[in-house]
Amino acid sequence: SQTIHQWPATLVQPVGSPLSLECTVEGTSNPNLYWYRQAAGRGLQLLFYSVGIGQISSEVPQNLSASRPQDRQFILSSKKLLLSDSGFYLCAWSGLAGVFHEQYFGPGTRLTVT
Amino acid sequence: GDSVTQMEGPVTLSEEAFLTINCTYTATGYPSLFWYVQYPGEGLQLLLKATKADDKGSNKGFEATYRKETTSFHLEKGSVQVSDSAVYFCALTRGSYIPTFGRGTSLIVHP
Repeated sequence: SQTIHQWPATLVQPVGSPLSLECTVEGTSNPNLYWYRQAAGRGLQLLFYSVGIGQISSEVPQNLSASRPQDRQFILSSKKLLLSDSGFYLCAWSGLAGVFHEQYFGPGTRLTVT
Repeated sequence: GDSVTQMEGPVTLSEEAFLTINCTYTATGYPSLFWYVQYPGEGLQLLLKATKADDKGSNKGFEATYRKETTSFHLEKGSVQVSDSAVYFCALTRGSYIPTFGRGTSLIVHP
């Protein structure tokens, strides 16, 4: 069966510090990968998605970036964090096979920028 | 573009009450429809789905029917439990890589 991991689970970082959040998927090949953010409430904001190694699409211009160095690894980064980057970051995957495109989410990373 | 509208929350119910969370959508063609649930401090989990008109998705006592004529996918449960307290998201996909999510509806169930 497929599983998705995110780490760290929680992170407290000062303004201006760098960021690296990691997501890995097991049990599937060539997944579509996604980074979302939930800030101060319930709504989901899509930040990046990737349909293959090295292929990254950005949905929202900001000081974050994403990379996909391996098929099942997705990394979210920042060179200098802002207070507004605080939130709950979720990684998700969906399969290319099939047409229904349901998503499977990781447990999330709670980021607090101080 | 595509959109999903959910009822504003929070929805507050007593245990064993009947639940309805409304969801309507705007999309061309024939989207697939989903309900996800997010328990406090966790990621989203797929709750149920329906891929064509008149399909009924069901799971864990929850049901939703894909109504093309009213562009709706309302979530229902006959008897809620305290453990159902969570945020519920309605979503659609139309064959692209990017799903469209509603803003979520918080459900609070009191004993």
